[in-house]
Amino acid sequence: AQKITQTQPGMFVQEKEAVTLDCTYDTSDPSYGLFWYKQPSSGEMIFLIYQGSYDQQNATEGRYSLNFQKARKSANLVISASQLGDSAMYFCAMREGAAGNKLTFGGGTRVLVKP
Amino acid sequence: GAVVSQHPSRVICKSGTSVKIECRSLDFQATTMFWYRQFPKKSLMLMATSNEGSKATYEQGVEKDKFLINHASLTLSTLTVTSAHPEDSSFYICSARDPGDGFTGELFFGEGSRLTVL
Repeated sequence: AQKITQTQPGMFVQEKEAVTLDCTYDTSDPSYGLFWYKQPSSGEMIFLIYQGSYDQQNATEGRYSLNFQKARKSANLVISASQLGDSAMYFCAMREGAAGNKLTFGGGTRVLVKP
Repeated sequence: GAVVSQHPSRVICKSGTSVKIECRSLDFQATTMFWYRQFPKKSLMLMATSNEGSKATYEQGVEKDKFLINHASLTLSTLTVTSAHPEDSSFYICSARDPGDGFTGELFFGEGSRLTVL
């Protein structure tokens, strides 16, 4: 079974609008962390935001916010006020407490911001 | 913040040769580093966990004799693709975490190394 699922292979978004990228996960470990990374065409992985399983509030980092719904096992990324530079691949990833520091990645969502 | 650096960023080699890729943590000591492989337009797949001073732990399906990992110091892990073949062409990327950051610390990734085997 997939541990991390991103159902949107690609999305278009108009510049200055908000976009939501879906991510659902599957784990029986009570201690886990959820990450979102951005990967531009250059290939580097850029950390965006982190949500811990015990965090009571949704994580926010500038224009990025994470809509964490624990009961639904979803961790959607919201990018507000999209910019042309936001065009990239976006990966959701999970780190399970018992698994140490290794990450399991979703399939990714390609976002293209239109001017 | 913590930085992880990879070298080389791009390498082209002939089939049958071996290629070494280095992953360095620049301002922290990493007892554990991770090597991922990414095919074009695909996600990152964990290949192995590199452990300083001991053998690497390989994920199921990854050939340990093909992908040799050495973690000789607290700041350097190397991945050697032995007897490379065209199907080994891929993007290889390493990651590490500053142990001083606690469980919630982010994992830092290197810039990645694009291997092309002719």
